[in-house]
Amino acid sequence: DQQVKQNSPSLSVQEGRISILNCDYTNSMFDYFLWYKKYPAEGPTFLISISSIKDKNEDGRFTVFLNKSAKHLSLHIVPSQPGDSAVYFCAVGNTGKLIFGQGTTLQVKP
Amino acid sequence: ETGVTQSPTHLIKTRGQQVTLRCSSQSGHNTVSWYQQALGQGPQFIFQYYREEENGRGNFPPRFSGLQFPNYSSELNVNALELDDSALYLCASSWPTDREAFFGQGTRLTVV
Repeated sequence: DQQVKQNSPSLSVQEGRISILNCDYTNSMFDYFLWYKKYPAEGPTFLISISSIKDKNEDGRFTVFLNKSAKHLSLHIVPSQPGDSAVYFCAVGNTGKLIFGQGTTLQVKP
Repeated sequence: ETGVTQSPTHLIKTRGQQVTLRCSSQSGHNTVSWYQQALGQGPQFIFQYYREEENGRGNFPPRFSGLQFPNYSSELNVNALELDDSALYLCASSWPTDREAFFGQGTRLTVV
């Protein structure tokens, strides 16, 4: 049974608009959540993270929201740029032992 | 600062053979984790090494084994290869207290 789920395999948005990527998890004991971005032929790159003591963390165009009661987190990208087109993975974990979702492929159209 | 590097980048093996994949951790990182990413899936945790000792293992059979060396580089060994072992193998390094892990570019293994 998957502990981390990204239910949307793909998302397409127009350049300049907001991209919202979603992730659900099952275990309320998880206390640290991460987003990674992956381009083809490259390894995942760490993007942004959030601790369970917060409900929002912002870094430039990227904001992660955490709803602990719903066991849900989301990544907002505003404004979206064509270079953001990639596969986005949410992950939960502790000291390098990460559980990943299946990924969402984001396409940002010019 | 040198990032995580993996070798080789691509590899083709025959079912039943053995394979060794290599990883050099990011400068200063003494913890290395290995992941398997099947097509269309997220990376799955195989195991982690800290100070040359295994420090946690995912749901993978014993034919997946590893080593970490004094310079913190690491190897992943897979014996008796099966077709389902075809995947991208990712190495990640970190400090033991870090929550984030930093990944190499991966080794694409194809078993035929």
